[in-house]
Amino acid sequence: SQQGEEDPQALSIQEGENATMNCSYKTSINNLQWYRQNSGRGLVHLILIRSNEREKHSGRLRVTLDTSKKSSSLLITASRAADTASYFCATDGGSNYKLTFGKGTLLTVNP
Amino acid sequence: NAGVTQTPKFQVLKTGQSMTLQCAQDMNHNSMYWYRQDPGMGLRLIYYSASEGTTDKGEVPNGYNVSRLNKREFSLRLESAAPSQTSVYFCASSDQTGSNQPQHFGDGTRLSIL
Repeated sequence: SQQGEEDPQALSIQEGENATMNCSYKTSINNLQWYRQNSGRGLVHLILIRSNEREKHSGRLRVTLDTSKKSSSLLITASRAADTASYFCATDGGSNYKLTFGKGTLLTVNP
Repeated sequence: NAGVTQTPKFQVLKTGQSMTLQCAQDMNHNSMYWYRQDPGMGLRLIYYSASEGTTDKGEVPNGYNVSRLNKREFSLRLESAAPSQTSVYFCASSDQTGSNQPQHFGDGTRLSIL
């Protein structure tokens, strides 16, 4: 199945630093979404970016999309301990109706 | 507003037993989904229901059946549980089926099959 792959698999930073996670995918997409998962909980939708968009912001989150490189990045600025979670990208592989999730990046923010 | 509610939260079964995982949403969403999450595998779609009265197979449907009981409820049944079905199961819903729709997830059912 066409799947986004997050990089790195794990990231550990200090509170106040910025965290950047990347997602690469194999086939053209219509939409790409980012989700957060806290330990023991379900996924929470963060942001959706369409294939004709290059950048979106939501609070401390900034998502970019480069369709020529088939990649997206999620930047969390001024990180907090509460940002500790796994982050997943989800792509549609051009299907426009079904999402395929990557394996996630585990972000640890140390106080 | 509870969102997506899954029951039970934990369950241990013996190989060959059957069970039904329940899911209900209170957001008046049309579309509902069942995923499984395994270490190192990400989330994989088992079945989805685009609207009340319809269900379709996802990526890993073998060994499972689903029922869209009404607009609110979408259940997942394991007829004869196998150790390979040990996983965390998530139910999700969205307003419509489409990759431009955010999905809302429950907190999962942790299922162990011995």
